[in-house]
Amino acid sequence: KAGVTQTPRYLIKTRGQQVTLSCSPISGHRSVSWYQQTPGQGLQFLFEYFSETQRNKGNFPGRFSGRQFSNSRSEMNVSTLELGDSALYLCASSLEAMGETQYFGPGTRLLVL
Amino acid sequence: QKEVEQDPGPLSVPEGAIVSLNCTYSNSAFQYFMWYRQYSRKGPELLMYTYSSGNKEDGRFTAQVDKSSKYISLFIRDSQPSDSATYLCAAPRNTNAGKSTFGDGTTLTVKP
Repeated sequence: KAGVTQTPRYLIKTRGQQVTLSCSPISGHRSVSWYQQTPGQGLQFLFEYFSETQRNKGNFPGRFSGRQFSNSRSEMNVSTLELGDSALYLCASSLEAMGETQYFGPGTRLLVL
Repeated sequence: QKEVEQDPGPLSVPEGAIVSLNCTYSNSAFQYFMWYRQYSRKGPELLMYTYSSGNKEDGRFTAQVDKSSKYISLFIRDSQPSDSATYLCAAPRNTNAGKSTFGDGTTLTVKP
């Protein structure tokens, strides 16, 4: 079975721009979660989607948004980029909604200049 | 206070050493725990999970949970340079704070 895939793998943007990241979960997984990982903050939860609905949202500003499509693929968007948004953005999928183990993609490394 | 706290490290050991990685948790309701391994510039990969009732062994890796002290451990026997990575412990939950709660990770270096 193919793992979680994320595109693009690397991205360089400038302040004020916006960016869209994509995640394809493992086949059959309907839950997709997004995390931001930085050296100082560790893994921080952004949001979770299940069956095209955002179910949970972390403590991030409204500049961070996401969506999920009917095939469970998910995108996250960050508008008006700030320098502090530079991070590794990780997508994780799991089989069922409640407490199942998550499987991570390789991440998208975003650098904001 | 974070629900899962992890020894920050870094930890450096010689090849062949036994490594002990540790976490503590605060929520007695956690039913099982996961260990993820993350190589530099890669996403975390699930290494193993164990239920709160006992231990689990997988090759050179053993995960142990002590419910009385709320302590989670991962032991690596005969450590290899390829084990050099950051190890994250995690517990599942399904709240508006996320599907899982993660420790901040311990960076391990195994020197040849």
